[in-house]
Amino acid sequence: EDKVVQSPLSLVVHEGDTVTLNCSYEVTNFRSLLWYKQEKKAPTFLFMLTSSGIEKKSGRLSSILDKKELFSILNITATQTGDSAVYLCAVYSGNTGKLIFGQGTTLQVKP
Amino acid sequence: ETGVTQTPRHLVMGMTNKKSLKCEQHLGHNAMYWYKQSAKKPLELMFVYSLEERVENNSVPSRFSPECPNSSHLFLHLHTLQPEDSALYLCASSQAMQPPNEQFFGPGTRLTVL
Repeated sequence: EDKVVQSPLSLVVHEGDTVTLNCSYEVTNFRSLLWYKQEKKAPTFLFMLTSSGIEKKSGRLSSILDKKELFSILNITATQTGDSAVYLCAVYSGNTGKLIFGQGTTLQVKP
Repeated sequence: ETGVTQTPRHLVMGMTNKKSLKCEQHLGHNAMYWYKQSAKKPLELMFVYSLEERVENNSVPSRFSPECPNSSHLFLHLHTLQPEDSALYLCASSQAMQPPNEQFFGPGTRLTVL
């Protein structure tokens, strides 16, 4: 059965810290992995990864995919209180066309 | 208006009521999705419509009935729901159903079933 597992499930840090969020997957015919940030509303898109070893960056956020070990990480440097949110990882199965979501990691950044 | 919009944003209904959720996308996409998000559970895919044809219903109970009259509009008709159906219902769209296309989400409808 296809599954996506995120860790940790929750994390509390202080402003300025660096955090690493993990996403591992077992999905038939992997096509892409997506990261979303969800505050008190709909998820907003962060990154889409399809190739191993190529880091994607957007400001203080970056992400990389390892298709051999079947995982991805999302890094946030110099965290701010506005980074507090649930971070969702999702993987597309090419066989079914379904997007499978992990449980999410709840990040709280304290001042 | 741009992006994906959903109405209503909040809905409270009794178990015997009939109501409908509406989603509209202004992105020219060809695929639309309904998701259910319950507390402390991953997003669950309910329905997918590609070019107005349903292609996946994911074993959702029949008390949820989707309708897609055209590629820009998607409805979720609700009847005789249960309290455990209370959740955030999210609509999304993508250029096509096949990956690796990014999905754009609406703000969601927070549904409470009494």
